[in-house]
Amino acid sequence: QQPVQSPQAVILREGEDAVINCSSSKALYSVHWYRQKHGEAPVFLMILLKGGEQKGHDKISASFNEKKQQSSLYLTASQLSYSGTYFCGTEMGNAGNNRKLIWGLGTSLAVNP
Amino acid sequence: NAGVTQTPKFRVLKTGQSMTLLCAQDMNHEYMYWYRQDPGMGLRLIHYSVGEGTTAKGEVPDGYNVSRLKKQNFLLGLESAAPSQTSVYFCASSYKSGRARGEQFFGPGTRLTVL
Repeated sequence: QQPVQSPQAVILREGEDAVINCSSSKALYSVHWYRQKHGEAPVFLMILLKGGEQKGHDKISASFNEKKQQSSLYLTASQLSYSGTYFCGTEMGNAGNNRKLIWGLGTSLAVNP
Repeated sequence: NAGVTQTPKFRVLKTGQSMTLLCAQDMNHEYMYWYRQDPGMGLRLIHYSVGEGTTAKGEVPDGYNVSRLKKQNFLLGLESAAPSQTSVYFCASSYKSGRARGEQFFGPGTRLTVL
């Protein structure tokens, strides 16, 4: 039931791109993406609802493939500030009334100068 | 706006002691959550609440109790602490509906050590 994130860790040089995936074996209503810096609380990035939408802001965007029950987070032209652990949280069911998120184990991203 | 606040920030307990963690939010959110985060385990939901006076179990509720007597507060209690409850505890809250529906706002966390 817990979503699987891949890769577990990635190291980038500033300016490089990265893709983080989140896959579930269950039907999803929504996928939530958060970033957590060391010693801090998770911070919301975006939510994707079923329907295959793609969302984004600035150089971070995401897609949700309902057929595959998979979401991908795209980080383009990475900046030092992108470093941290990225978590996906999945909401199951059809109506989105559950409101419980099941979280992946996270992807550690390090951006070096 | 303070957002989501948690009290205390750090605590050390001896096995068998009890304590209560307090979470407060000033955003008028309907939903509130308690998570624990352990190294390599991600976030695990302990209990949550969809409104004042209502609570429900999450993934790992054993050993914890919660109460939500006021909309803005969500309390997490440990009746008899065990070393396995050593963790970082996060509280979060969110709106029930609207454009911001689903976005969870997290408190700064409480680092609890049980000896």
